[in-house]
Parts: sequence; C-alpha cells; structure tokens
Amino acid sequence: EAQVTQNPRYLITVTGKKLTVTCSQNMNHEYMSWYRQDPGLGLRQIYYSMNVEVTDKGDVPEGYKVSRKEKRNFPLILESPSPNQTSLYFCASRRSGGADTDTQYFGPGTRLTVL
Amino acid sequence: GDSVTQMEGPVTLSEEAFLTINCTYTATGYPSLFWYVQYPGEGLQLLLKATKADDKGSNKGFEATYRKETTSFHLEKGSVQVSDSAVYFCALSRYNKLIFGAGTRLAVHP
Repeated sequence: EAQVTQNPRYLITVTGKKLTVTCSQNMNHEYMSWYRQDPGLGLRQIYYSMNVEVTDKGDVPEGYKVSRKEKRNFPLILESPSPNQTSLYFCASRRSGGADTDTQYFGPGTRLTVL
Repeated sequence: GDSVTQMEGPVTLSEEAFLTINCTYTATGYPSLFWYVQYPGEGLQLLLKATKADDKGSNKGFEATYRKETTSFHLEKGSVQVSDSAVYFCALSRYNKLIFGAGTRLAVHP
C-alpha cells in the first residue's frame, strides 16, 4: 500500500530535550515536506526537500532541522524543543515529474506536546 | 502574498442537508486548488482537486468548481451523512508548498 508513515504518533516531552520525528514514504517520491497544524492557522510549511541532500526552509523553520540522506526518509529534528512547538505535525510527499506533480500525500500526523 | 480564506466553522447540519463550505483564494497565475479532509484522529486525505479554470473536481458526492472570475473553489454536497463529520481544508499549490485555509469543522447530526 502506498503510504507516508510517521513515528511516533504521539509524544510528550519537556523543554530542551532533543527529539526526532521520523517520516518515510514508499512511493519513490522526490519531494517531501513537513507542516505544522495549529488551530485557526491551518497548516504551515516548516521545511521541504526536492530530493536527496536538497532541503530548504518553508514559512516557519525556526527551531527545526531536517535532513534528507535517503530518498524515502525525511526526519524532523527539534534540537531544543520549546512549548510553542506544541502542535500537530504532518509529513507529506509528492512526485516531481510526470503526471499529478502538485498533489501531496500526507502521513497520519504526530501530536507533540512540549511541557 | 498568496492566501486561502475559508468560512469559519463549525458548520452544524442535519443528515441529508445540503452542504456548502466557501473558499476563496488570492494568488498570481492559476494555481491548482484542493480540498483535503481530516477525519477525527486521522491525517489529511485528498478529497478532490482542480487544476485549471472551470474544472470541476468531484469525489464521494462532494464537488467544487474552479472559478477564476470569483477566485473561489466552494465545496458542495447535496446530502451529507454523519460520516462526513470532519475538518475540511481548502488549499492551493504554489511553488514548493501547499497554502492552506484555516479549516472548517463540519458536524452532521442524525
């Protein structure tokens, strides 16, 4: 089954404790992206990657890092989480060539609480 | 800059009622437009899309038409079911991201 997976699905942590949220897709998509969802704001892009070793900032990158060492994986790293990073996080992917290159497919989400 | 504006919710309807969720956008050019749905406790699923003016996207009884003249992409369904209760997001595709509206929560009661 074609899908985007994220782990963990739920995480409660404390301020300053480094964490990583993993994202993996099995569709051989070149493009991957991270969004955060906050009430009243919809989803906002954090970082995106056009391909392996190619990453760029989205609209709200402060406090986050990413890496893209393999095509299928795109982890989101919070080196020193703060309470304002409490949010619902989504990973997404899409193809970059051929048909339907503008449709993004989303993972199930990771609900993060930073105390 | 580009933006998407959705009607505020929640929208509360009885089963079999007609649904409209308004969505307007501001963008240069002609971006693709999308409706995504988020069922309780789940991630986002693509509901429908339209890629050019006057295109109609449809899926599961939902429809939306890309209206360039009014910069709108309103979501409609003729007869909602309890199982349609969810949050609906309108979005446009721009460069390397999706730009989302704030979302509209729909609650359908028996």
